[in-house]
Amino acid sequence: GNSVTQMEGPVTLSEEAFLTINCTYTATGYPSLFWYVQYPGEGLQLLLKATKADDKGSNKGFEATYRKETTSFHLEKGSVQVSDSAVYFCALRHNTGNQFYFGTGTSLTVIP
Amino acid sequence: EAGVTQFPSHSVIEKGQTVTLRCDPISGHDNLYWYRRVMGKEIKFLLHFVKESKQDESGMPNNRFLAERTGGTYSTLKVQPAELEDSGVYFCASSQTGKNIQYFGAGTRLSVL
Repeated sequence: GNSVTQMEGPVTLSEEAFLTINCTYTATGYPSLFWYVQYPGEGLQLLLKATKADDKGSNKGFEATYRKETTSFHLEKGSVQVSDSAVYFCALRHNTGNQFYFGTGTSLTVIP
Repeated sequence: EAGVTQFPSHSVIEKGQTVTLRCDPISGHDNLYWYRRVMGKEIKFLLHFVKESKQDESGMPNNRFLAERTGGTYSTLKVQPAELEDSGVYFCASSQTGKNIQYFGAGTRLSVL
């Protein structure tokens, strides 16, 4: 079946630190992969996506590369800011269906 | 353009009571989805509407949950009677047909005591 496993949190970093949140997936075929972010008090927002192997999604300084050989889609940012504090969800959508499969979410707190 | 709106934002009820959650999708989005996140776990799919029809309700946990989308606009999700394990955050999302991206609301936090 389809599933997503992401790094357990919470994660606490100092401002300007390097961020990696690991995400691996299980799926048949070629799913599309996503990172969503939920800021405090708000809904889930699409952060970035990739639809095929070796694609790199990027937005707001965040990047993730679709690695089919390792079934991974790790989220990275070179220098985090306090405003990046949020919960990050990795997700996949299989090309034969409409539903999303999410990971458990990783809470990130960035301290000044 | 307004996003996906959900209300209430928070509901606290006692076990055995009934609660109705509402979702207003983005105007023009034929697809509407309900998801649920139980404390600390992954966000799980409940069901998918295309206009007023249920396309996929494979994620609905049991028959205490009833979702409707009369007229193909807003949707309601009723839990009757509510149980303790129904506590969690219920998210609604909408999308345009043929598009890969789903737009989510802020969620309704349901607490069953």
